[in-house]
Amino acid sequence: AQTVTQSQPEMSVQEAETVTLSCTYDTSESDYYLFWYKQPPSRQMILVIRQEAYKQQNATENRFSVNFQKAAKSFSLKISDSQLGDAAMYFCAYGVNRDDKIIFGKGTRLHILP
Amino acid sequence: GAVVSQHPSWVICKSGTSVKIECRSLDFQATTMFWYRQFPKQSLMLMATSNEGSKATYEQGVEKDKFLINHASLTLSTLTVTSAHPEDSSFYICSGRQGPDTQYFGPGTRLTVL
Repeated sequence: AQTVTQSQPEMSVQEAETVTLSCTYDTSESDYYLFWYKQPPSRQMILVIRQEAYKQQNATENRFSVNFQKAAKSFSLKISDSQLGDAAMYFCAYGVNRDDKIIFGKGTRLHILP
Repeated sequence: GAVVSQHPSWVICKSGTSVKIECRSLDFQATTMFWYRQFPKQSLMLMATSNEGSKATYEQGVEKDKFLINHASLTLSTLTVTSAHPEDSSFYICSGRQGPDTQYFGPGTRLTVL
């Protein structure tokens, strides 16, 4: 069964610094997708970044980038130049093209220290 | 990104009554929509997958007679909580799938059953 593990329930980072959130997953599939979603206090889920497993190049979206290690089944999120607005719950998620579902990790709450 | 709306954003009802929550994809057609439930400080739990024009697929442990899902058009899915009880109080989130993999989420509906 596919699982997504986020081992850091909470993290804190100083404003303007860089932080990395960890995520590992378990799957026997070769073709899948990985996501990071952000849930701020408003509770609106926002897609931060997505990665297709067949692509070797790490996805990047402005200050957000991932380190995708397929062999290690690791998918970490790096936030550069952290801003107060980055404070939120971050969920790592996994999906398979042939299946509708997305499986979410338990989340990491990120605090930004001014 | 694609926009999904939910209505209402917050509803309070008496025990034993039914409540309907609407989920709309505003700028794309969602052949598949998903309904999640989120308890405080927890991750999203998939309740059911809704395909336009067909019956919803419920996850194990979710009572299909209690949580009625209808997906009558490519832009609208509804979740009806029938005979609601206090234990049904939760945050309900829907999402619509655009493309092969990415889900876009609504802002959620907070249900409080008295």
